[in-house]
Amino acid sequence: QKEVEQDPGPLSVPEGAIVSLNCTYSNSAFQYFMWYRQYSRKGPELLMYTYSSGNKEDGRFTAQVDKSSKYISLFIRDSQPSDSATYLCAMSVPNSGNTPLVFGKGTRLSVIA
Amino acid sequence: EAGVAQSPRYKIIEKRQSVAFWCNPISGHATLYWYQQILGQGPKLLIQFQNNGVVDDSQLPKDRFSAERLKGVDSTLKIQPAKLEDSAVYLCASSLARGTDTQYFGPGTRLTVL
Repeated sequence: QKEVEQDPGPLSVPEGAIVSLNCTYSNSAFQYFMWYRQYSRKGPELLMYTYSSGNKEDGRFTAQVDKSSKYISLFIRDSQPSDSATYLCAMSVPNSGNTPLVFGKGTRLSVIA
Repeated sequence: EAGVAQSPRYKIIEKRQSVAFWCNPISGHATLYWYQQILGQGPKLLIQFQNNGVVDDSQLPKDRFSAERLKGVDSTLKIQPAKLEDSAVYLCASSLARGTDTQYFGPGTRLTVL
């Protein structure tokens, strides 16, 4: 079992739809959870950052962490064509000295106008 | 604020040749990372520098890959000799310090090994 599992999609939705992206993980020591957005031929950019469990909202984006289920989600409301990209979840262990990020494979999202 | 710069953006070589990538991190960022992203996969950390010292190179194939960060600023990643399976995007990222500081990624260098 990989440390971080993410459905690669592709996921295609109409403009205005609510999008749900998910990752599961196996390492219970992960405490920091991130979502990166990667446009084609670009580097990943940080979208959301959450520590431990709970929800975090930023505009149209909501990140949820359920540590009991080892499951994280990213919701995008009122999706726009400009949201079309690959979304990568990433997580790390605190106070491990190096805290390397472990990434999922990424989910490719297309929002159709 | 200028972002992380990488060059070249694209490189095509034949197997067994050597290649080098260059990265200039965001000014003032002490930590620099090199990632390998194979098509359809998430980035995988190859090496992490704190200033000019190596913090983590556990996933760097040291028989063919090498990296340095002289003077704690720019960094180069070298592959010699290249294999077909080295075809990937090589991403450089930097952060202010270690720990949980946000990592900022460059655009990457897309390497194709024929």
